[in-house]
Amino acid sequence: SQQGEEDPQALSIQEGENATMNCSYKTSINNLQWYRQNSGRGLVHLILIRSNEREKHSGRLRVTLDTSKKSSSLLITASRAADTASYFCATALIQGAQKLVFGQGTRLTINP
Amino acid sequence: GAVVSQHPSWVICKSGTSVKIECRSLDFQATTMFWYRQFPKQSLMLMATSNEGSKATYEQGVEKDKFLINHASLTLSTLTVTSAHPEDSSFYICSARDLNYQETQYFGPGTRLLVL
Repeated sequence: SQQGEEDPQALSIQEGENATMNCSYKTSINNLQWYRQNSGRGLVHLILIRSNEREKHSGRLRVTLDTSKKSSSLLITASRAADTASYFCATALIQGAQKLVFGQGTRLTINP
Repeated sequence: GAVVSQHPSWVICKSGTSVKIECRSLDFQATTMFWYRQFPKQSLMLMATSNEGSKATYEQGVEKDKFLINHASLTLSTLTVTSAHPEDSSFYICSARDLNYQETQYFGPGTRLLVL
């Protein structure tokens, strides 16, 4: 079964607004990663946050990790139409060859 | 850098035939590659972990005789869907883990399979 659950499942906002997506997981992790997928395409790695880190930034992206609550959030600031995509969190488990277990994803739509 | 390719990008086949999908790491070596399948508007489900020079490790519920995986070199893994049926129609995505940067997986563009 899927390790992660994401909410919301779908998010529609206006261009320029900030978008926040949340991810929760069940077991102990080595790290948590966020990916973007445009419709019908492969995944693009966005950011990786390790279990001993609490926050990480990359450009307009900000990721937080709360291991006590087993949750993470992805914030995209000043959204653009090109940010329209599905966003997935994926947890790398401590055991199991660091397999990635994906959440259900959030479909983000940025309206111009 | 860190580019993963898949071939073909899409394939249509008749029920009962076998289809081979290739996954290549173009500019790095990957001792481990992963195969996922994704149904429309759903998440990625890991099918198997492909290790160079050894047998693949399949996830629970995935038939190893149905989905044959070969990882013969540090840059190539293949997935063969044998005796394909319409329910095998899906989007198959591979990823590769860089030998020198183990934490990150790089994903291929995916292969869309339609079995008639």
